[in-house]
Amino acid sequence: KQEVTQIPAALSVPEGENLVLNCSFTDSAIYNLQWFRQDPGKGLTSLLLIQSSQREQTSGRLNASLDKSSGRSTLYIAASQPGDSATYLCAVYQGGSEKLVFGKGTKLTVNP
Amino acid sequence: DGGITQSPKYLFRKEGQNVTLSCEQNLNHDAMYWYRQDPGQGLRLIYYSQIVNDFQKGDIAEGYSVSREKKESFPLTVTSAQKNPTAFYLCASSMGQGTTEAFFGQGTRLTVV
Repeated sequence: KQEVTQIPAALSVPEGENLVLNCSFTDSAIYNLQWFRQDPGKGLTSLLLIQSSQREQTSGRLNASLDKSSGRSTLYIAASQPGDSATYLCAVYQGGSEKLVFGKGTKLTVNP
Repeated sequence: DGGITQSPKYLFRKEGQNVTLSCEQNLNHDAMYWYRQDPGQGLRLIYYSQIVNDFQKGDIAEGYSVSREKKESFPLTVTSAQKNPTAFYLCASSMGQGTTEAFFGQGTRLTVV
């Protein structure tokens, strides 16, 4: 059974710092990995999608990498801003099915 | 506006009642999903559907039912058999095939009173 783990569970940083969020998964037979952002009481907003054949994707200040063989992905946020404060979730499409399996998320607080 | 619409945003249910949560998408997506989110638990899959008139149980389907009569609609019924229904419910859709981006609605918060 696929399990997705995100470390740390919470992170607090000063504004302007570069930071890395981690995601690991137990079964490397995935189709893709997706990073989401969730604000309190809201739905999920898609940030980046990495196909299983890709190594990384970039969008603005965000860069996500994928190492399927080691079962790891990282989300790099450059020059963090208070508006980046949210919970960040990663999810993998489980091989052989149409299921997205989620980690529990990392709650990020960026202090002005 | 293209996207996924969930309604209502807030829902209150008396014990013993069934309630139905609405999820509509105009993205022409084949696959649709229902997740439940509880504090500290992360998102757990309730049901998913890859095509019209077909759906599969997820990890926590007991006490829930769904239908997929139209491509754009995937309503979730929370039945009286669900012992702890108070939660945040999220609907999502994707093109399917496991290779495309998933999009989420804004959620419905269900509270048992």
